Amino acid sequence: AQSVTQLDSQVPVFEEAPVELRCNYSSSVSVYLFWYVQYPNQGLQLLLKYLSGSTLVKGINGFEAEFNKSQTSFHLRKPSVHISDTAEYFCAVSPSNSGNTPLVFGKGTRLSVIA
Amino acid sequence: EADIYQTPRYLVIGTGKKITLECSQTMGHDKMYWYQQDPGMELHLIHYSYGVNSTEKGDLSSESTVSRIRTEHFPLTLESARPSHTSQYLCASSEFSGVGYTFGSGTRLTVV
Repeated sequence: AQSVTQLDSQVPVFEEAPVELRCNYSSSVSVYLFWYVQYPNQGLQLLLKYLSGSTLVKGINGFEAEFNKSQTSFHLRKPSVHISDTAEYFCAVSPSNSGNTPLVFGKGTRLSVIA
Repeated sequence: EADIYQTPRYLVIGTGKKITLECSQTMGHDKMYWYQQDPGMELHLIHYSYGVNSTEKGDLSSESTVSRIRTEHFPLTLESARPSHTSQYLCASSEFSGVGYTFGSGTRLTVV
């Protein structure tokens, strides 16, 4: 079975500063990894995903994430945040060898961008 | 435009009432999911389906039931609502796991 740990429940950061949201996963098989964003009173929106190949993945809104197999991590980064990035961020994992296993989500990280 | 729709967006209902939360998608996805999201953000999988006439219970025990009679429709029913059911309910669909999920906007349910 897979599991996901988001190491920070809340991350406050000043506008235009860089940010990193941390995600570690556990799995005995190869995985697909995802980051989702949830704005207030909305559903989740896919930011980016890692399936295979290049370990640096670029997503929407200037976000990127790096897959590190040895550290079982998939941290999300943005070099300069905006007020509009204030939201909840969820890391998720699924085994790559099964299309019928639901995604496992982390508990989420609340990013608060301060003007 | 392909999308996934949830109705109602907000619902306040009295204890003991029967309610159905609607979820429909226009993408032809076989896989559909229901999540309950508590105020602390965490998502809990309560039901999922891999196709018509296929339904499974998720990780979180739930007093709700689901049905999947048509590919595009995956309603969730509470036979007798209780205050403990107060939560946000998110519906999602997927073509296959490598694509990820498309989520609806959610239904925020309050049982008084």
